[in-house]
Amino acid sequence: GDSVTQMEGPVTLSEEAFLTINCTYTATGYPSLFWYVQYPGEGLQLLLKATKADDKGSNKGFEATYRKETTSFHLEKGSVQVSDSAVYFCALSPRGNSSYKLIFGSGTRLLVRP
Amino acid sequence: DAGVIQSPRHEVTEMGQEVTLRCKPISGHNSLFWYRQTMMRGLELLIYFNNNVPIDDSGMPEDRFSAKMPNASFSTLKIQPSEPRDSAVYFCASRPLAGGPRAFFGPGTRLTVL
Repeated sequence: GDSVTQMEGPVTLSEEAFLTINCTYTATGYPSLFWYVQYPGEGLQLLLKATKADDKGSNKGFEATYRKETTSFHLEKGSVQVSDSAVYFCALSPRGNSSYKLIFGSGTRLLVRP
Repeated sequence: DAGVIQSPRHEVTEMGQEVTLRCKPISGHNSLFWYRQTMMRGLELLIYFNNNVPIDDSGMPEDRFSAKMPNASFSTLKIQPSEPRDSAVYFCASRPLAGGPRAFFGPGTRLTVL
């Protein structure tokens, strides 16, 4: 079945460091891809999305490119801030009859130190 | 816009007791989801409603779990009887008809069953 695999955490970085969180997926056809962020004590918020191959989603300095060839959707940010500390979830939404579903990866915790 | 509202935010109960979690989706959203988040299993879709009708309840763990959506502005998730392994954070999410696969999450209910 469809699934999402993302890198284990926690990822610990110093402020202004470069961030990459890897995400790969397995799905039939071409799903929509998402990154959600969960701050402590809160629900998940959509960070960015891409709905077709080669699309780049971006928001708040974060970017991710839908790579069909490598079935990947890696999250990047050029310079992280302490306020970016959170858990990041990669997710996919299948095409077709199950398009209502969001299938999540296990989450990657990011800790940014001052 | 108040966002998705969940209550209670925290619930501590003893094994065997009935637990009811409540959700008010965003006004105008016609899809509603209940998710469960645990360390071991990550985020799991429990049930999906569309226009107040349960469409996919394949994720409901067992007969102790039940969910209802009596109208477009209210849903409940009930566990009876509760067990310690039900301890988790339960999220409600909603989505508009024409909003694509993006879901808006509530802040969650942290359930602890002693």
